[in-house]
Amino acid sequence: NAGVTQTPKFQVLKTGQSMTLQCAQDMNHNSMYWYRQDPGMGLRLIYYSASEGTTDKGEVPNGYNVSRLNKREFSLRLESAAPSQTSVYFCASRTAMNTEAFFGQGTRLTVV
Amino acid sequence: GQQLNQSPQSMFIQEGEDVSMNCTSSSIFNTWLWYKQDPGEGPVLLIALYKAGELTSNGRLTAQFGTTRKDSFLNISASIPSDVGIYFCAGENTGTASKLTFGTGTRLQVML
Repeated sequence: NAGVTQTPKFQVLKTGQSMTLQCAQDMNHNSMYWYRQDPGMGLRLIYYSASEGTTDKGEVPNGYNVSRLNKREFSLRLESAAPSQTSVYFCASRTAMNTEAFFGQGTRLTVV
Repeated sequence: GQQLNQSPQSMFIQEGEDVSMNCTSSSIFNTWLWYKQDPGEGPVLLIALYKAGELTSNGRLTAQFGTTRKDSFLNISASIPSDVGIYFCAGENTGTASKLTFGTGTRLQVML
């Protein structure tokens, strides 16, 4: 029972480097989300995809792009990483509104 | 954007004590959710509330949907060491295309 799988689990980047965080779910969920978690700030929504083929900005989208590649996969790209993007990133998915969201185990990203 | 503030930010309690925490919003929500995050893991749903005034229990946990629809409360009775973690509230409204907003979190630590 894989659920929501995120890769990589850990990553260190230099300022200005780019990378893509991968997320895949095997529960046939329609909606997928990317959050970042910082101390004292809780979970802040970066981008979400209500259904395959759509993406929308959350609270903190600047510096990020997303791709809903298919129903299973939702990737998050940092084009030019900055130290302010040091955080733990969580992907989540769910069937629809008012249903339980399932989270991956997170990607711990450090930008130096 | 919508802000969900949780209090307290963190708390140390003795094993066996009851715990109360709350979540307040600057705007109304139609659904309130409570999640728990264990160290190194993604959040997991504890309780979902769908109606103003609703009181719902899940074992030793009880959550209430505030009558103003701008707040929610979580109580844990007779705390045990495995209650350690971060508790997040989350709110959702119909018509916001599946957007799920999380609070700032309450970190709970239990002393034996």
